[in-house]
Amino acid sequence: KAGVTQTPRYLIKTRGQQVTLSCSPISGHRSVSWYQQTPGQGLQFLFEYFSETQRNKGNFPGRFSGRQFSNSRSEMNVSTLELGDSALYLCASGLAGGVDTQYFGPGTRLTVL
Amino acid sequence: GDSVTQMEGPVTLSEEAFLTINCTYTATGYPSLFWYVQYPGEGLQLLLKATKADDKGSNKGFEATYRKETTSFHLEKGSVQVSDSAVYFCALGYNQGGKLIFGQGTELSVKP
Repeated sequence: KAGVTQTPRYLIKTRGQQVTLSCSPISGHRSVSWYQQTPGQGLQFLFEYFSETQRNKGNFPGRFSGRQFSNSRSEMNVSTLELGDSALYLCASGLAGGVDTQYFGPGTRLTVL
Repeated sequence: GDSVTQMEGPVTLSEEAFLTINCTYTATGYPSLFWYVQYPGEGLQLLLKATKADDKGSNKGFEATYRKETTSFHLEKGSVQVSDSAVYFCALGYNQGGKLIFGQGTELSVKP
């Protein structure tokens, strides 16, 4: 069974631009969670989608948004990029949204110049 | 709110040494506890988990016991290998909501 896929793996943007990251969960998984990983703040939860509905949200500004499609694939969007948005963005998929079954992808490394 | 605190790294050990990475937590409910491992350039891999007090999680020679009385979930391994070099994250989560709260991570370096 294929694992969690994230595209692109690396991305370079400039301040003020917007970016869209994609996550394809493991086949059959209906939950996708997103995390931001930085050296200063560590791993922080962004949001979780289950069956196309946002079920939980972390403490991030409204510039960070996401969505989930009927095939469970998910995208997250960051608008008006800031230097501090440079991070590794990880997504995790799960069967029914419980934390016991979360499997992480390799991440997308975003650099904002 | 809920939080997880890990011992600071980096931790440097010789091959075959005993490993302990301390993890304590603060929780408003009754969470599950996890250890994840991150190898360079990769995402997180679930190492082990425990879902209730006194449960012991184990995998690949690593163990951790969910201690409610001391709010701890320390990671141990009897004999580390060079291939265990990675960053280890302690985390807690609840079954609804798919949200994990992570500690800051502990880098382990094992020398031959």
